[in-house]
Amino acid sequence: GNSVTQMEGPVTLSEEAFLTINCTYTATGYPSLFWYVQYPGEGLQLLLKATKADDKGSNKGFEATYRKETTSFHLEKGSVQVSDSAVYFCALSDTGTASKLTFGTGTRLQVTL
Amino acid sequence: EAGVTQFPSHSVIEKGQTVTLRCDPISGHDNLYWYRRVMGKEIKFLLHFVKESKQDESGMPNNRFLAERTGGTYSTLKVQPAELEDSGVYFCASSQSGAGEQFFGPGTRLTVL
Repeated sequence: GNSVTQMEGPVTLSEEAFLTINCTYTATGYPSLFWYVQYPGEGLQLLLKATKADDKGSNKGFEATYRKETTSFHLEKGSVQVSDSAVYFCALSDTGTASKLTFGTGTRLQVTL
Repeated sequence: EAGVTQFPSHSVIEKGQTVTLRCDPISGHDNLYWYRRVMGKEIKFLLHFVKESKQDESGMPNNRFLAERTGGTYSTLKVQPAELEDSGVYFCASSQSGAGEQFFGPGTRLTVL
């Protein structure tokens, strides 16, 4: 079955530091890949997505590239801010028709001044 | 436009009691999903409604869980009787189309003592 593995947290960074959160997946076929973010007290929000190999999803300074050869979708940001403190979830869904999301365990990011 | 809402935000019950969680999707969204995150682990799919019909209930853990979506609008998830391992955060999500972006609610935190 499908599965997602992402790096353990928490990750603590100083403001303006470079961020990488690793995510690898196992899936049959060609899934769509997502990063969701959960800010304190809020629901999950879609941060970015990629639907096919070599696609790059980007939003709010975050980027992730769909790497089929390494089955990875690592999240990166060049300069984090305190407001980026949240829990980040990597997820996948089978392409095509309506499909459930398969999530990783989540990585908590804490950015300090 | 109102987002996905869930009620209650928190629930604390004793083992053996019954709890009913409610989800109101975004108006016009035919697809409604329930997910659960237990003790900081990954978010796991429970089931998927299309209007009032259960499209996929492969993630429901056992027959103590009953989900309904009468009239194809809001949905309820009942746990009866609750067990300690049911503690966690229950998320609801909705989407306009089956393959469309899923919008999540803030979740209901359930604690079973």
